[in-house]
Amino acid sequence: IAGITQAPTSQILAAGRRMTLRCTQDMRHNAMYWYRQDLGLGLRLIHYSNTAGTTGKGEVPDGYSVSRANTDDFPLTLASAVPSQTSVYFCASSSGSDDEQFFGPGTRLTVL
Amino acid sequence: GQNIDQPTEMTATEGAIVQINCTYQTSGFNGLFWYQQHAGEAPTFLSYNVLDGLEEKGRFSSFLSRSKGYSYLLLKELQMKDSASYLCAVRDGDYQLIWGAGTKLIIKP
Repeated sequence: IAGITQAPTSQILAAGRRMTLRCTQDMRHNAMYWYRQDLGLGLRLIHYSNTAGTTGKGEVPDGYSVSRANTDDFPLTLASAVPSQTSVYFCASSSGSDDEQFFGPGTRLTVL
Repeated sequence: GQNIDQPTEMTATEGAIVQINCTYQTSGFNGLFWYQQHAGEAPTFLSYNVLDGLEEKGRFSSFLSRSKGYSYLLLKELQMKDSASYLCAVRDGDYQLIWGAGTKLIIKP
């Protein structure tokens, strides 16, 4: 089934720990994105990638890193988690950077 | 700064019509999107406007006025399943999407 998958679905993490959120798409989309969604705020872009091998910083990149080794995968890493990174994280992809974005089911992350 | 404003919450009756407004101030404009997001789920694409006017898709329509920095999403013949948040997003001059906080729509029987 074509689409985007994210793992894990949810995670509780101790502050200071390292964590990688996984995102895989099988639609051969060029562009991929990581957002966080917090209550009362709009989706905020963390990092993006317009094509395999390239990445860029979004609105709230601090404390996060990404890589795009191939078209399908776009992992997001928290090097040393802090409680303010408690959020719901959505991965998205689009055919091109101009096109509609398709979202994964999200990862609910709690940092204690 | 860049800003997108939507009402926080709206209530409507099953079978009725509701209009959700979105106003924006962004550095450049390259299109406006509407997404639907049910509680606990991912956003899903509803509509896209880049030129002024009305785009109709079944029960949903979206309108854009670039000169006024204004859009609305019109939902007709409301159904209980339309209870969701509706997100307005503008693609700015750098082709980045700026998102509003969303409007939670509550449908009452």
